[in-house]
Amino acid sequence: DTGVSQDPRHKITKRGQNVTFRCDPISEHNRLYWYRQTLGQGPEFLTYFQNEAQLEKSRLLSDRFSAERPKGSFSTLEIQRTEQGDSAMYLCASSLAGQGQVDTQYFGPGTRLTVL
Amino acid sequence: GDSVTQMEGPVTLSEEAFLTINCTYTATGYPSLFWYVQYPGEGLQLLLKATKADDKGSNKGFEATYRKETTSFHLEKGSVQVSDSAVYFCALRYSSASKIIFGSGTRLSIRP
Repeated sequence: DTGVSQDPRHKITKRGQNVTFRCDPISEHNRLYWYRQTLGQGPEFLTYFQNEAQLEKSRLLSDRFSAERPKGSFSTLEIQRTEQGDSAMYLCASSLAGQGQVDTQYFGPGTRLTVL
Repeated sequence: GDSVTQMEGPVTLSEEAFLTINCTYTATGYPSLFWYVQYPGEGLQLLLKATKADDKGSNKGFEATYRKETTSFHLEKGSVQVSDSAVYFCALRYSSASKIIFGSGTRLSIRP
């Protein structure tokens, strides 16, 4: 079963450090999404790519956050100068966009970030 | 702005009980509505969806009907099992948009 995979699954870091997460979408999915989920809340949209183009960014995505999808396959999300408020589960999802119906987003297991 | 409100948990039921998890939404247009489920240690999974008013989504014994007049999409199951224990998220999305807007989730625990 080649679903969406994320690496690492857990990351503990100290405040001020930089961290980078990776997401590998389902093969041939052209859209890739990043969400953030804090404890007791639903996921909140951060950004999405269609192929290698980053088409939308939430205002939640501060200047310390950057996401890339260089070849339209895997994606990375980097957080610079981490803060304790960045502690959350970071979810990646992918979908195959086509004409007509709303495409279904398939979610990965997430990367849990803890900033000490 | 658009939003989703769902009943707070945790909800604890005995096996074979009837389940209802309430969900209401606020939307400026006509979104598609979804229920996602998150089992312990697993990623979010789409449970069911409805794309227009009066549509009924169903899967694994769960059902939800898109009610435009009451802006609701309540999740129901006639007889729950221990394996249904999970966190359930109601959500909406416009066909022209990328992002899904989620509710805060309802944790469901089923006692044997």
